[in-house]
Amino acid sequence: NAGVTQTPKFRVLKTGQSMTLLCAQDMNHEYMYWYRQDPGMGLRLIHYSVGEGTTAKGEVPDGYNVSRLKKQNFLLGLESAAPSQTSVYFCASSYSIGGAGTQYFGPGTRLTVL
Amino acid sequence: DQQVKQNSPSLSVQEGRISILNCDYTNSMFDYFLWYKKYPAEGPTFLISISSIKDKNEDGRFTVFLNKSAKHLSLHIVPSQPGDSAVYFCAARVAVYGQNFVFGPGTRLSVLP
Repeated sequence: NAGVTQTPKFRVLKTGQSMTLLCAQDMNHEYMYWYRQDPGMGLRLIHYSVGEGTTAKGEVPDGYNVSRLKKQNFLLGLESAAPSQTSVYFCASSYSIGGAGTQYFGPGTRLTVL
Repeated sequence: DQQVKQNSPSLSVQEGRISILNCDYTNSMFDYFLWYKKYPAEGPTFLISISSIKDKNEDGRFTVFLNKSAKHLSLHIVPSQPGDSAVYFCAARVAVYGQNFVFGPGTRLSVLP
């Protein structure tokens, strides 16, 4: 049981380049999330999904797109990377029913945009 | 404007003593609060939670206290161990938004041997 995995772990992009971050979970969770973590800012929600084929905007969605074609995968895309998108990106997943919906996080992707 | 605040960026405690991490919030619609722990180069891991209808929840060495009137949350770790050294994030949920959480900026705890 791998939990939540993210690829790649590190990436360096030039301004204007595009890339896709992949998140996969094997816990059959309905909800999936993408966060970014910046110094002194905590984790901020970019986009989230409440099920296969559905996505919604979070707190800081601009410059990102997402897709959830399969229940276990949640993709985060940057169409034209900017230096302001230099950050550590975390994917998470959770159950949808009951409790606090405790989120399980992946190990993160460190992205640098030059 | 941050809805969840952790005003102490860092905290150092001697091994065996109590660690108290604080969190303040502004949104009275928050109905659930969680603490996450994060080690370097890893994702956050869930530690303990509390519903807004309670004022205390305990799990082993970890206890979370909620003071709704003060909009204040605290995490107590007793006794503190060197392995507790990590960044601790406070998070809060607004029920109407489903399972979405707002995170504080984190407090780095160092437990000194």
